[in-house]
Amino acid sequence: GAVVSQHPSWVICKSGTSVKIECRSLDFQATTMFWYRQFPKQSLMLMATSNEGSKATYEQGVEKDKFLINHASLTLSTLTVTSAHPEDSSFYICSLLGYEQYFGPGTRLTVT
Amino acid sequence: RKEVEQDPGPFNVPEGATVAFNCTYSNSASQSFFWYRQDCRKEPKLLMSVYSSGNEDGRFTAQLNRASQYISLLIRDSKLSDSATYLCVVNAGGTSYGKLTFGQGTILTVHP
Repeated sequence: GAVVSQHPSWVICKSGTSVKIECRSLDFQATTMFWYRQFPKQSLMLMATSNEGSKATYEQGVEKDKFLINHASLTLSTLTVTSAHPEDSSFYICSLLGYEQYFGPGTRLTVT
Repeated sequence: RKEVEQDPGPFNVPEGATVAFNCTYSNSASQSFFWYRQDCRKEPKLLMSVYSSGNEDGRFTAQLNRASQYISLLIRDSKLSDSATYLCVVNAGGTSYGKLTFGQGTILTVHP
């Protein structure tokens, strides 16, 4: 069965609004989760590492004030895309490390 | 130079064919190596880990050459269901443990 769930699976929003994506660990207590982004016809790129009870660590070039990450419990990390723009349209995938790297099913964000 | 580079592809092969994918990585300190497959609009799924001694899983054989920083995947007796994008993935390990770097992927289409 699934180890990681994401919600929503897809979302369409208007430019300037904020969108929250949830990533839940179903089988593991995840002190660390990872957020990736995949643009069309490109590969996954790590955006940030979400740490339970502390600040997320962002990769170079990822704006921490735009992509807010909250990891308040061992089973939930959220990514909020603030003031979304069309260029933020992408496939957002979370993952966690258990016996192997487990990926969520992804959230497809379209900003109009 | 990209951290992980793959054959550009795409590969279009008949059922039953043998196909090989190559990948190189730039970080000599990389610790773990994987091949993932990704179906259209889905999350990546682990196909196999890659070990220095080489490893095989049914029709799939993976090889790692640390000296050349080169990884390969061989698929024998291709099936229609093998059609997907194959991602070469590297984990730097150490303080970056769990943070995966993906190649751009190689598209494989197996036709009847």
